[in-house]
Amino acid sequence: QKEVEQNSGPLSVPEGAIASLNCTYSDRGSQSFFWYRQYSGKSPELIMFIYSNGDKEDGRFTAQLNKASQYVSLLIRDSQPSDSATYLCAVGGRDDKIIFGKGTRLHILP
Amino acid sequence: EAGVTQFPSHSVIEKGQTVTLRCDPISGHDNLYWYRRVMGKEIKFLLHFVKESKQDESGMPNNRFLAERTGGTYSTLKVQPAELEDSGVYFCASSQARAGELFFGEGSRLTVL
Repeated sequence: QKEVEQNSGPLSVPEGAIASLNCTYSDRGSQSFFWYRQYSGKSPELIMFIYSNGDKEDGRFTAQLNKASQYVSLLIRDSQPSDSATYLCAVGGRDDKIIFGKGTRLHILP
Repeated sequence: EAGVTQFPSHSVIEKGQTVTLRCDPISGHDNLYWYRRVMGKEIKFLLHFVKESKQDESGMPNNRFLAERTGGTYSTLKVQPAELEDSGVYFCASSQARAGELFFGEGSRLTVL
């Protein structure tokens, strides 16, 4: 059974600080990795994707992938209250199935 | 450009009744996925269409669930007969590439009484 694990939180971070979200996955053959943000009562919104080992930066967001450790992370710099949401890690395998973690609730403290 | 649209946004039915959910993917997206989120649990994969073909339906809970995608455009997910445990939010998502970036609809909330 392929799994994607995330700490459910809540993770509380002061405004302006760096929020660090982590995710591990069980399928070593996974090929695509995504971070989604979901506000309460809304649908998931894609914010980052990464396919290769290393870091990928987009504005205040940095995704980090380490395939050897089967670990994906998302860093949010200069955290804003509007970043408060649930962050979902998703992993795509060779079978094209995309599996989601339970999500981490992030709370940015003003 | 229109995003993924789902209908209805909320459906309340009695146990034993039938409900059909509809999803219109983003135009040109061959890949269409159905997911379900039950309260407190993760978003669980149900099935994946590539155009009109079912690529993977390993997540479908049982034979009370039937998904179709006629002509490779919109998709429907029928639950017949509905049971209490079918309550949840059903999300549809589409992507251009297999296992690529998913774009989600707003979801269809199903409540079975």
